[in-house]
Amino acid sequence: EIVLTQSPGTLSLSPGERATLSCRASQSVSSYYLAWYQQKPGQAPRLLISGASSRATGIPDRFSGSGSGTDFTLTISRLEPEDFAVYYCQQYGNSPLTFGPGTKVDIK
Amino acid sequence: EVQLLESGGGLVQPGGSLRLSCAASGLTFSSYAMSWVRQAPGKGLEWVSDISGSGGSTHYADSVKGRFTVSRDNSKNTLYLQMNSLRAEDTAVYYCAKVSPGGYYFDYWGQGTLVTVSS
Repeated sequence: EIVLTQSPGTLSLSPGERATLSCRASQSVSSYYLAWYQQKPGQAPRLLISGASSRATGIPDRFSGSGSGTDFTLTISRLEPEDFAVYYCQQYGNSPLTFGPGTKVDIK
Repeated sequence: EVQLLESGGGLVQPGGSLRLSCAASGLTFSSYAMSWVRQAPGKGLEWVSDISGSGGSTHYADSVKGRFTVSRDNSKNTLYLQMNSLRAEDTAVYYCAKVSPGGYYFDYWGQGTLVTVSS
């Protein structure tokens, strides 16, 4: 099983700042099969990124994903008030599919 | 617009059973694999189970294997999760999620249904 580690656990930033979230895998993720989700309190997760770097339909271009192998990054170029949430990565290249523990982005 | 609506959650005693349902609309349901993903209170996401579009192939997390059964009725556009021998650690919000045709990630999620296992 691939274990995903996300860092930092919490990121305290101000609106307008840049957020850089890391997702590291215990072994190489096949074929860039890495997704990112956003979850707000009391809501279901929302798909942001698939294939490590492809934005889902309707996702603003301030969200970008990069990386390969064992190291992946989600970048939010300029934080908007609605971006403060928890972000999860998920690998789907190996069975069982697994999620990271999440990074909380909160308001500084 | 794709909509997924879970139901069937509630309070159940340890060792008990519960069946969750997920009614889907806005999609050709039989064309897509579906999954159940759960989230314990204050915790992260955990994949539980998935089922192919035809229902002929199913997979389970080790934590629920032998206790949970996923099924679907494509004539009713509905996904199910039969949960038996429930344990306190099964307490969670259970989400149904549509598997993307592009890979085993989830492009649509329901709002979730809470299952509480407690005496």
